[in-house]
Amino acid sequence: NAGVTQTPKFQVLKTGQSMTLQCAQDMNHEYMSWYRQDPGMGLRLIHYSVGAGITDQGEVPNGYNVSRSTTEDFPLRLLSAAPSQTSVYFCASSLSPILAGASGEQYFGPGTRLTVT
Amino acid sequence: GDSVTQMEGPVTLSEEAFLTINCTYTATGYPSLFWYVQYPGEGLQLLLKATKADDKGSNKGFEATYRKETTSFHLEKGSVQVSDSAVYFCALVASGSRLTFGEGTQLTVNP
Repeated sequence: NAGVTQTPKFQVLKTGQSMTLQCAQDMNHEYMSWYRQDPGMGLRLIHYSVGAGITDQGEVPNGYNVSRSTTEDFPLRLLSAAPSQTSVYFCASSLSPILAGASGEQYFGPGTRLTVT
Repeated sequence: GDSVTQMEGPVTLSEEAFLTINCTYTATGYPSLFWYVQYPGEGLQLLLKATKADDKGSNKGFEATYRKETTSFHLEKGSVQVSDSAVYFCALVASGSRLTFGEGTQLTVNP
């Protein structure tokens, strides 16, 4: 299994540009989520999904859209990038939402480092 | 709301030194507590966990004890190795069943 994969690893955008961060998992996990990591602030939840066709907002959803058309893929879209979105983005998955929460058993991708100028 | 506070980094140690990374938390109810580790170029991995007071989580020589009276979950290892160089995150799950992370502590171990 490849686990959780993310592309690209690095990206530089200009303010106002749009892009999609890709996330895929091959473990047939129901639960997938996106976090952003900023210096001094830990990881903050952006959006999450408990299954194909179901998404919900996390702690910091503004400026981001998600969709979950398949179990495997959970892309994160930035419609109009802003410098405040400069961050490292992590995708994570878990077999179920309960496992993700109660046991902490989430599998993380390697991250995408995004810079918005 | 729920929050996790970790000791400021970075932390630099020599091989075989004793490691402590402090973690304290604020949460409603009785949270589950976790330590995650991120090795260079990789995603976060669950290192250890504790789900109730006085539980001790352990893995790969690392230990942490859930101290409800001091709301702490400090990470310790008796003898660190160069391969332990990584970023360590303390986290909790309380109300809402979502992980709340600390800011992370960079550990560098020199030979």
